[in-house]
Amino acid sequence: DTAVSQTPKYLVTQMGNDKSIKCEQNLGHDTMYWYKQDSKKFLKIMFSYNNKELIINETVPNRFSPKSPDKAHLNLHINSLELGDSAVYFCASSRSGGAETQYFGPGTRLLVL
Amino acid sequence: KQEVTQIPAALSVPEGENLVLNCSFTDSAIYNLQWFRQDPGKGLTSLLLIQSSQREQTSGRLNASLDKSSGRSTLYIAASQPGDSATYLCAVSPRAGNMLTFGGGTRLMVKP
Repeated sequence: DTAVSQTPKYLVTQMGNDKSIKCEQNLGHDTMYWYKQDSKKFLKIMFSYNNKELIINETVPNRFSPKSPDKAHLNLHINSLELGDSAVYFCASSRSGGAETQYFGPGTRLLVL
Repeated sequence: KQEVTQIPAALSVPEGENLVLNCSFTDSAIYNLQWFRQDPGKGLTSLLLIQSSQREQTSGRLNASLDKSSGRSTLYIAASQPGDSATYLCAVSPRAGNMLTFGGGTRLMVKP
C-alpha cells in the first residue's frame, strides 16, 4: 500500500547509456515531481508535471525528459548518461499544483560508471 | 533566485534536550514552508507545513514557526529522543507553482 513507489531502487549503468526510472503514486494526486539529490545531499527540483502543464527547472539538461502515460505515473528518461548524473532521484506527488504537502518516494540510487 | 540555508549543518545532543533547528530564505515571496525528515537511505517524510499567512504549526513534540518578513523559520523539537535522529530539511514553495527549494539540511543525532 505504498503511496509513492519508484523502480528500480538501485541502478548501475555505463556512461552513454539511456535509462528510465519509473514512479507510481496511488494517492489520486494530480501533480508529480522529480528531484535530484547529489552527493552533497542537496535536493533540487527537476520537473513539476500535471495533465495540463510541465514545468522544467531551467538548469536541467535536455537529456532528461519526464514521460507520463497516465495521471498515476511519471517516469524519468535519461539519454546519454554522464558521470555527473550519478545521484539519488526522488519522485513526489501532491494533490494539485498548488502549494501543498508533497509525498516522496523512497528514491532511486543511480550510479554511472 | 531563492536560496535556503539551514544552520547548523549537524547537531548532536543528549536524549531529553529541547532543540531548535534554523532555516532562512532569501526571497520572502513564498506560499508556504515545509519541514521534512529524511532517514539514511530513505525518502522524505513531511513533518509540518506552514502557510505564508500562518505564524506556526504544531504536531506532537514538533513546533515550527515562520517569520516571512525576515525570511526565517525554526523547528523546535521538545524532549528529544534517539528516534528523532535523522536529517531535517526545510523547503519553501514559490508564489507560482509548487516547485520546492530545499535547504541543505541539519543532520541531528540524539544520543541515549
